[in-house]
Amino acid sequence: QVQLVESGGGLVKPGGSLRVSCAASGFRFSASYMAWIRQAPGKGPEWLAYISGPGSTTIYADSVRGRFTISRDNAKNSVSLQMNSLRADDTAVYYCARDCGGDCNWFDPWGQGSLVTVSS
Amino acid sequence: ETVLTQSPATLSLSPGERATLTCRASQSVGTYLAWYQQKPGQAPTLLIYDSSKRATGVPARFSGSGSGTDFTLTISSLEPEDFAVYYCQQRSGWPPVITFGPGTTVDVK
Repeated sequence: QVQLVESGGGLVKPGGSLRVSCAASGFRFSASYMAWIRQAPGKGPEWLAYISGPGSTTIYADSVRGRFTISRDNAKNSVSLQMNSLRADDTAVYYCARDCGGDCNWFDPWGQGSLVTVSS
Repeated sequence: ETVLTQSPATLSLSPGERATLTCRASQSVGTYLAWYQQKPGQAPTLLIYDSSKRATGVPARFSGSGSGTDFTLTISSLEPEDFAVYYCQQRSGWPPVITFGPGTTVDVK
């Protein structure tokens, strides 16, 4: 079945860096857009970035552009989010999700999430 | 940025009752509006996309409607497993701006 599994979350100090990754299975990964979405405690989800199937197109939310980088390795069926200059308000559960890509609007499925805590 | 507003914030109902949730966009999003369900400790799951299309495996008691700025998610008869938080989400423009609403909690009365 279609499955996404995140890894790499943890505790990091303000100003530090962290990389979260997502392993995909059960669908044609290389043809699929992928996205990262986060959810702070008690808040609604916040879309962060997406990447096209070949990796040639990346789009970022204003809140993370210049600090976060999305990338993918189609040979390993994985997508990653490199997070730099982390701040306390980046504390959240980070989800990867398959993005419908192109002229459409949905995310399905989502991974189980990886908690990132930014604190001194 | 298109802001989504959801109402009510909390809906207290009993099993078997009808639930009507509203999502309003600050500007037109056409029909590019999706709904997600989230249960405690779990990731959101897609219920409705393109305003009214049910995702694979979603029961027929869930329905969506609307276009432009006003959208509705209806649960015709609440089952025990439907008590959860519901989020709407839109995508618009190029490069796309993608936003989620703050959520509506459906809890047991």
